[in-house]
Amino acid sequence: NAGVTQTPKFRVLKTGQSMTLLCAQDMNHEYMYWYRQDPGMGLRLIHYSVGEGTTAKGEVPDGYNVSRLKKQNFLLGLESAAPSQTSVYFCASSAEHQPQHFGDGTRLSIL
Amino acid sequence: QKEVEQDPGPLSVPEGAIVSLNCTYSNSAFQYFMWYRQYSRKGPELLMYTYSSGNKEDGRFTAQVDKSSKYISLFIRDSQPSDSATYLCASGGYQKVTFGTGTKLQVIP
Repeated sequence: NAGVTQTPKFRVLKTGQSMTLLCAQDMNHEYMYWYRQDPGMGLRLIHYSVGEGTTAKGEVPDGYNVSRLKKQNFLLGLESAAPSQTSVYFCASSAEHQPQHFGDGTRLSIL
Repeated sequence: QKEVEQDPGPLSVPEGAIVSLNCTYSNSAFQYFMWYRQYSRKGPELLMYTYSSGNKEDGRFTAQVDKSSKYISLFIRDSQPSDSATYLCASGGYQKVTFGTGTKLQVIP
């Protein structure tokens, strides 16, 4: 049982480059989330989705876009990467009224 | 003021000690309360999940929620070196939760 799988695990980008982070879950969860985790800041919600085809902004959405074309996948895009987006990105999923389950993260460095 | 406040530690205890980890929250509408454990370079792992006030026990772990004082606690009995990790509290509604910044715990053999 894979749970929540994030790809890639590590990535280094140059300022201005774009990339997409992929999250896949095999638990048939309706809700999916993207967070970033920075030292001293904790987990901050970027965007989330309450079902296939839906997305909503979280606490820190600027500079990111998301898509949920399939129930099991949630993509996070950076159109023009900035050094301030250097972080560890976590994807999570949950059933309704249930706690979230996390992947092991993507470490992203932007030079 | 953050909606969920947590002392970052680090907290260092000898093996076998009872550990008490605490958080406060400010939003009275929060109904769900969780504790996650996060090992280095890994994702948060759900430890305990409670709805509303009260206690919940699972093995060496006990979670307490006091909604009157907006206080969340996690107790670890007979702590082990394998308990060394960062512990995140979280609370919120049914769609979104707010996380504390985490308390780093080290259990010394």
